[in-house]
Order: sequence, then C-alpha cells, then structure tokens
Amino acid sequence: DGGITQSPKYLFRKEGQNVTLSCEQNLNHDAMYWYRQDPGQGLRLIYYSQIVNDFQKGDIAEGYSVSREKKESFPLTVTSAQKNPTAFYLCATWDFSGANVLTFGAGSRLTVL
Amino acid sequence: GQSLEQPSEVTAVEGAIVQINCTYQTSGFYGLSWYQQHDGGAPTFLSYNALDGLEETGRFSSFLSRSDSYGYLLLQELQMKDSASYFCAVRDGTGFQKLVFGTGTRLLVSP
Repeated sequence: DGGITQSPKYLFRKEGQNVTLSCEQNLNHDAMYWYRQDPGQGLRLIYYSQIVNDFQKGDIAEGYSVSREKKESFPLTVTSAQKNPTAFYLCATWDFSGANVLTFGAGSRLTVL
Repeated sequence: GQSLEQPSEVTAVEGAIVQINCTYQTSGFYGLSWYQQHDGGAPTFLSYNALDGLEETGRFSSFLSRSDSYGYLLLQELQMKDSASYFCAVRDGTGFQKLVFGTGTRLLVSP
C-alpha cells in the first residue's frame, strides 16, 4: 500500500536532548512537509522540501533541522534549541495534482519530560 | 502573509445540517481546501474549491466566494462519526507549494 510512515508514534525526551523523527513515503511524491500541531491549534509549517537535496524553512523553523538525501525520506530533528518541543508532528507529501491535496502520515507525538 | 479565520467550535445533533465558515486573507489565491481530523489522527483531505460556487461530494459540500474571500464547508445528515476538527487551508500567496491552515473548527455531534 502506498503511504507515509512516521516513526516513532510516541517519543519521550529529556530536556537538552536532540531527537529525530522519521518520515518515509512510497507515493513517489516530490514535495514533503513537516507540520507541528499543538492542542486545539492548527497546523504550523516547520520545513518543506520540493526536491531532493533542497529544503526551505517554514514559519517556525527555529530549533529544528531536516535533510532530504532521498526522495522517499525527510527526517526532522528536534534540537535542544527548540524551547517548547512537546507537540504532535505531522509529515505530509504533495503530488502537485492541481488540487491542494496533502497526504499526511499518522504523526509522531513528542513529549519532553 | 496569509491568515484564515474559523469558528473554534460548532455543535449539532445527528441528522442535522451544519455549516463551518472560513474567511481568509492572502496576497495571491490558489484555491481553498478543507481537511478533517479526528482526535489523535492525521488530517485527511475533504474538498477543494478553485472557482466560485459549490462543490458537492456526498454528504459534504464546499462553497467559495473569491470576491468575499470566504468559503464554507456544509455537512449534511450529520453522523456521530463526523465529530472531528475541520480545517480550511489556502496555498501560500507566493505560489509556492505549501499550505497555510486555519486554527480549525471542532464539530461536536450529539445523539
């Protein structure tokens, strides 16, 4: 089945630690995105990548880093510089079909202890 | 930049019709989308309007008025499973392939 796999589903981190969230897709979509969602809030864009080896900052990139070495993979690292990292993180892809259709992974919930 | 406004919460009973409004501000317009998200789940695409008028997909319809920078999602014959958050979204005004989301409307459907 085609889709987006995010791992881990739940992650606990101590303050001061970096963590990396995985996002893998087999949809053959060029563009990939990371969004952050806080309770009762909308989705805010962290980083996005339209092609391999290229990515751009979104609205809340501070304290985060990404890489795009393969079309299928777009990992997100939450660094210790991110002051309030506890949130629900969603990875998505866009197939450029004309309609504004993002396909989302199941998400990773990060909790800082 | 872009901004979208939605009501924070709407309540309705099973079988009823509910309308969720969205007003937006964007420097360029490339369509209005709607997404549904159940608690703890991922958002899923519902509908897309690029031109004025009504788009119907089963029990769900979406309307757009570009002159008013306004759209709505209409849910008919409400079911308990429709209880979820609904987000409107517009593409970045620069034309880049990224979406900006509203803060969402939580729909509570009661028996």
